[in-house]
Amino acid sequence: KNQVEQSPQSLIILEGKNCTLQCNYTVSPFSNLRWYKQDTGRGPVSLTIMTFSENTKSNGRYTATLDADTKQSSLHITASQLSDSASYICVVIGRSNDYKLSFGAGTTVTVRA
Amino acid sequence: KAGVTQTPRYLIKTRGQQVTLSCSPISGHRSVSWYQQTPGQGLQFLFEYFSETQRNKGNFPGRFSGRQFSNSRSEMNVSTLELGDSALYLCASSLDRGLYEQYFGPGTRLTVT
Repeated sequence: KNQVEQSPQSLIILEGKNCTLQCNYTVSPFSNLRWYKQDTGRGPVSLTIMTFSENTKSNGRYTATLDADTKQSSLHITASQLSDSASYICVVIGRSNDYKLSFGAGTTVTVRA
Repeated sequence: KAGVTQTPRYLIKTRGQQVTLSCSPISGHRSVSWYQQTPGQGLQFLFEYFSETQRNKGNFPGRFSGRQFSNSRSEMNVSTLELGDSALYLCASSLDRGLYEQYFGPGTRLTVT
């Protein structure tokens, strides 16, 4: 079973609307959690990095939250734009000697005009 | 500062052949990681190199190998290609692991026929 589960698998929203993506993980011990944006045919680009002591981190219209107690994170996109159409991947890094990365399957967001 | 570069960007090979992919990290970065991305499996970790030494390895068969040179450039080799090896191969570089940011290259799209 994957240690990082993302939901929904995909979603369609209208330009200007907000949306929230979910990431649940079971990785333990935990070092940090990252959200990446991946445009079609491109490599992922980091949006946020959060340690277990951080609850919220923003990057422009992207806001990530983390609840280390419940092992849940969310990524909120505010006032969506057509350029937000992409896959959003949640990555959890374990706190061990090898800092193992566990990847979620991603959420595909499509923004329609 | 130049980003991570990968060559070639696209590659078509025949089953049974072997292939070598190249990755040039951001200047000063000593850690280089390789990932395989497929629609069905998502992002999967192949291996990580740091200062010419393989520091971490994912669950891939021995047909997948890599190396890192003294200038931190890295190569990945896949021998005896199988149809299932068709994927986007991503390289990422960072100063080190843990909390350090990972920067991804654009990837090499490998198609095995």
